[in-house]
Amino acid sequence: ETGVTQTPRHLVMGMTNKKSLKCEQHLGHNAMYWYKQSAKKPLELMFVYNFKEQTENNSVPSRFSPECPNSSHLFLHLHTLQPEDSALYLCASSHPGHGYQETQYFGPGTRLLVL
Amino acid sequence: DQQVKQNSPSLSVQEGRISILNCDYTNSMFDYFLWYKKYPAEGPTFLISISSIKDKNEDGRFTVFLNKSAKHLSLHIVPSQPGDSAVYFCAASGSSSSNTGKLIFGQGTTLQVKP
Repeated sequence: ETGVTQTPRHLVMGMTNKKSLKCEQHLGHNAMYWYKQSAKKPLELMFVYNFKEQTENNSVPSRFSPECPNSSHLFLHLHTLQPEDSALYLCASSHPGHGYQETQYFGPGTRLLVL
Repeated sequence: DQQVKQNSPSLSVQEGRISILNCDYTNSMFDYFLWYKKYPAEGPTFLISISSIKDKNEDGRFTVFLNKSAKHLSLHIVPSQPGDSAVYFCAASGSSSSNTGKLIFGQGTTLQVKP
């Protein structure tokens, strides 16, 4: 596979469930990102990982817990979510080293519905 | 406070004509700008970018113009094709260390190209 892949593509969960989103990049990048896109809103950055280290947490509630075991994989662990957390969750990756002018490449996203 | 704005939620053009999508920004520290295209149920796809040292970048049918004094950029698509129908996001990043890897997105403009 090439590019950035995300699983599952769709997820329905109750507020008491625990689930995880997975992202994998095959581009040799060292930075990975989680974004949230709610209806009619801009993409919101949630977390940034550079070389497996978290470098940005954009005031995300603790019910979202990221994990980056290596530069190719990124997880988003979900627990006790709220209906307003229903959104499209996008993963992206980039290759730091070209100054700060990095192009991020996105996966297809996971459409999450919290009931 | 939205630092990147796309004030037109939608745009409709005839096939073969020019599509012009606009984007305004407020942060003078931004020095790299990108356009992404997004189809329904897919992640954003990188389209074209421009560094602040340039005022124009062209790639096939796509040209991005940057007016730093006006803090404005635009994406021109010519000729427009029905397959160009999608949501277009502009994004910006800055060169300060606190902004490493952080893209700020606009709300998106939905382009419809009519056959």
